[in-house]
Amino acid sequence: KQEVTQIPAALSVPEGENLVLNCSFTDSAIYNLQWFRQDPGKGLTSLLLIQSSQREQTSGRLNASLDKSSGRSTLYIAASQPGDSATYLCAVRKNTGTASKLTFGTGTRLQVTL
Amino acid sequence: SAVISQKPSRDICQRGTSLTIQCQVDSQVTMMFWYRQQPGQSLTLIATANQGSEATYESGFVIDKFPISRPNLTFSTLTVSNMSPEDSSIYLCSVRQGTLGETQYFGPGTRLLVL
Repeated sequence: KQEVTQIPAALSVPEGENLVLNCSFTDSAIYNLQWFRQDPGKGLTSLLLIQSSQREQTSGRLNASLDKSSGRSTLYIAASQPGDSATYLCAVRKNTGTASKLTFGTGTRLQVTL
Repeated sequence: SAVISQKPSRDICQRGTSLTIQCQVDSQVTMMFWYRQQPGQSLTLIATANQGSEATYESGFVIDKFPISRPNLTFSTLTVSNMSPEDSSIYLCSVRQGTLGETQYFGPGTRLLVL
């Protein structure tokens, strides 16, 4: 059974810092990995999707990497801003079939302070 | 990317009653998913809803408690029946899109409090 863990569980940084969020998964046979952000009491916003054949994806100040063989992904946020404060979730998908499901990590709650 | 709306956005309900949550997508999708997020927890898949067939429920979730309708390719409902305080959660609708149906999108969620 796939298990997804995110470290740290919570993180507080001053504005402007670069930071890294970690995601690890126990079964490396994945189809893709997706990073989401969730604001308190709200739904999820998709940030980046990495296919299993890819090493990284970038969108603006965000960069996600994937090392499938070691079961790890990182989300790098450059020049953090207070608006980045949210919970960040990673999720892995096992295969491409219609029955395949996302397995979510436990999340990292990020606070960026002024 | 898919745009998903949910109604209601939040509700406070009495124990023993039922609530129906609606999910509307701006494009046709084959599969829709319903998730639950209990306070302080990550997301748990309740069921997968296919148009024209019965929903497929995950272990621990049953149709009598969470009946789902999927009348067309852009709409679905989830009913939380005979509610108890343990049902207090955020309920999220989700769809999958992309060239290979690879990206998953979520609605804004319905925040439910059961007293």
